[in-house]
Amino acid sequence: QKEVEQDPGPLSVPEGAIVSLNCTYSNSAFQYFMWYRQYSRKGPELLMYTYSSGNKEDGRFTAQVDKSSKYISLFIRDSQPSDSATYLCATSRGSEKLVFGKGTKLTVNP
Amino acid sequence: DARVTQTPRDKVTEMGQEVTMRCQPILGHNTVFWYRQTMMQGLELLAYFRNRAPLDDSGMPKDRFSAEMPDATLATLKIQPSEPRDSAVYFCASGLGQGYTDTQYFGPGTRLTVL
Repeated sequence: QKEVEQDPGPLSVPEGAIVSLNCTYSNSAFQYFMWYRQYSRKGPELLMYTYSSGNKEDGRFTAQVDKSSKYISLFIRDSQPSDSATYLCATSRGSEKLVFGKGTKLTVNP
Repeated sequence: DARVTQTPRDKVTEMGQEVTMRCQPILGHNTVFWYRQTMMQGLELLAYFRNRAPLDDSGMPKDRFSAEMPDATLATLKIQPSEPRDSAVYFCASGLGQGYTDTQYFGPGTRLTVL
């Protein structure tokens, strides 16, 4: 079992839709949770960062961590065509390297 | 607008050739990471430097890969000899802090194709 599992999609939604992106992880020692956005032929960029459980909101983006079920989510409200990208979840115990999901490719259609 | 730069952006080479990829971290950053991204494996850490010292290269095939930081403005990743299975996008990232969970700023990557 991989440490982080992420549905690769692709996911296609109309503009304005609410998007839900999800990952599961296997190691209960993971404490740091991140979402990266990667545009085509670009490097990943950090979008959201949470520590331990709970929600974090930044504009149209909400990151959610449920440590009891080892589930991490990213919600995008009022999705825009500019949100079309691959979204990578990542997690770490802190003292060790980030473990990334393989990414979910999202397309938001105008 | 400070950013990580990587050269070359694309590299096509033949099996057995040496490949050198270069990275210029953001000025003032003290951590540098090398990653490899493939469809099959996703994004994997190859090497991690802090203050130019190598701290983690456990993800790197030691027999053919080497990573160095000759100075604070340059990190290199070398493959010798290259093999078709090395075909991937190689990313360099830099950060400011103590470790893995500090924000990492990624470069645009080097797309390597080994024929």
